[in-house]
Amino acid sequence: NAGVTQTPKFRILKIGQSMTLQCAQDMNHNYMYWYRQDPGMGLKLIYYSVGAGITDKGEVPNGYNVSRSTTEDFPLRLELAAPSQTSVYFCASSSQDRYSGNTIYFGEGSWLTVV
Amino acid sequence: QQQVKQSPQSLIVQKGGISIINCAYENTAFDYFPWYQQFPGKGPALLIAIRPDVSEKKEGRFTISFNKSAKQFSLHIMDSQPGDSATYFCAASKPGAQKLVFGQGTRLTINP
Repeated sequence: NAGVTQTPKFRILKIGQSMTLQCAQDMNHNYMYWYRQDPGMGLKLIYYSVGAGITDKGEVPNGYNVSRSTTEDFPLRLELAAPSQTSVYFCASSSQDRYSGNTIYFGEGSWLTVV
Repeated sequence: QQQVKQSPQSLIVQKGGISIINCAYENTAFDYFPWYQQFPGKGPALLIAIRPDVSEKKEGRFTISFNKSAKQFSLHIMDSQPGDSATYFCAASKPGAQKLVFGQGTRLTINP
């Protein structure tokens, strides 16, 4: 019953540092996503992937990179961290059902602070 | 065309009252409208969803009302309880789309 697992849960970065947020899902979903959530701003899509080896930009991709070498894993890389990247990051996955639509399953989030 | 506008941003309701959150969309190609519920410190989770071929869907105390001509849909929570206090997101997607477009979220507080 793991679902979508994100690590780390909390992290403090200094300006200019880099880090990778890890994400793994055990539901054999083809689609995976990274969102960021800022207060009062809803969920903004950073990157998404429709399968291993295929990734595409979302609404706010600048400052981030992703890779999808396996169906299970979808890490998010932050290069040269900036204070504007202070946010809560959610990884998610889905398996589109033609009858019930695109139900997205979210991880529990990673709280990132850049100082 | 891709936006989903949600209101209000925050809402306070007394226990036992009816909570109503509204969303409006522009893109008539959208055909799937879910609502997600998020508790503090957790990720959002699917609450209820509707397709435009019906005007209403009810699951327990939660009801989605859908007005295709007005391009609006709303979430009604009947007999609201303190445990319903959470942030609610509406969303929409097009047929075959891999992505959902989310509204800005509504922070709902139910006072005991």
